[in-house]
Amino acid sequence: AQSVTQLGSHVSVSEGALVLLRCNYSSSVPPYLFWYVQYPNQGLQLLLKYTTGATLVKGINGFEAEFKKSETSFHLTKPSAHMSDAAEYFCAVRANTNAGKSTFGDGTTLTVKP
Amino acid sequence: NAGVTQTPKFRVLKTGQSMTLLCAQDMNHEYMYWYRQDPGMGLRLIHYSVGEGTTAKGEVPDGYNVSRLKKQNFLLGLESAAPSQTSVYFCASSDNTGGQGPQYFGPGTRLTVL
Repeated sequence: AQSVTQLGSHVSVSEGALVLLRCNYSSSVPPYLFWYVQYPNQGLQLLLKYTTGATLVKGINGFEAEFKKSETSFHLTKPSAHMSDAAEYFCAVRANTNAGKSTFGDGTTLTVKP
Repeated sequence: NAGVTQTPKFRVLKTGQSMTLLCAQDMNHEYMYWYRQDPGMGLRLIHYSVGEGTTAKGEVPDGYNVSRLKKQNFLLGLESAAPSQTSVYFCASSDNTGGQGPQYFGPGTRLTVL
């Protein structure tokens, strides 16, 4: 069984401030972890993923995330927010024994204030 | 390379009417999925397919049927629409690399059932 919890359904930051979106997961087998971004009226797009190897992964648009097994976390960060980062962000977990099915968190809406 | 496409983009149905949503992918992916997205509930898996001619139930399959007669197409049917099926529907596809590959999403179909 697998599950994802995203802490905070809404996060607001000022332009230029640090972005931190939290994701905790549970999985009975080693997980594959993903962050997706959804802009208004669009589908989800992959930001970054962790499968194996280096626990700090870098994605598009300056985002990165760190896999911490001991904390079962995969938080998403960006050093300096840009207005164009305003969107909804989804964390997802996928197990390699689960026919490729993903479990998504409920999403976090990021607002960037000028 | 169009990726994942969905038709139609919008649809309004009356209770009891039927309809079929079409998803097509041109990436030769084995896995395909149908999700629904409702406010504050993330994405919930309706049905999925691990290959041509196969389908399986996801988290919320009731009221929906699917077919995968061709590898590139995945159809979602509503036999008798209900207001509770008002939602945004997303199709996704992925390769079968044991879950490591990301899912690629279509732009969505916004369905309203009156």
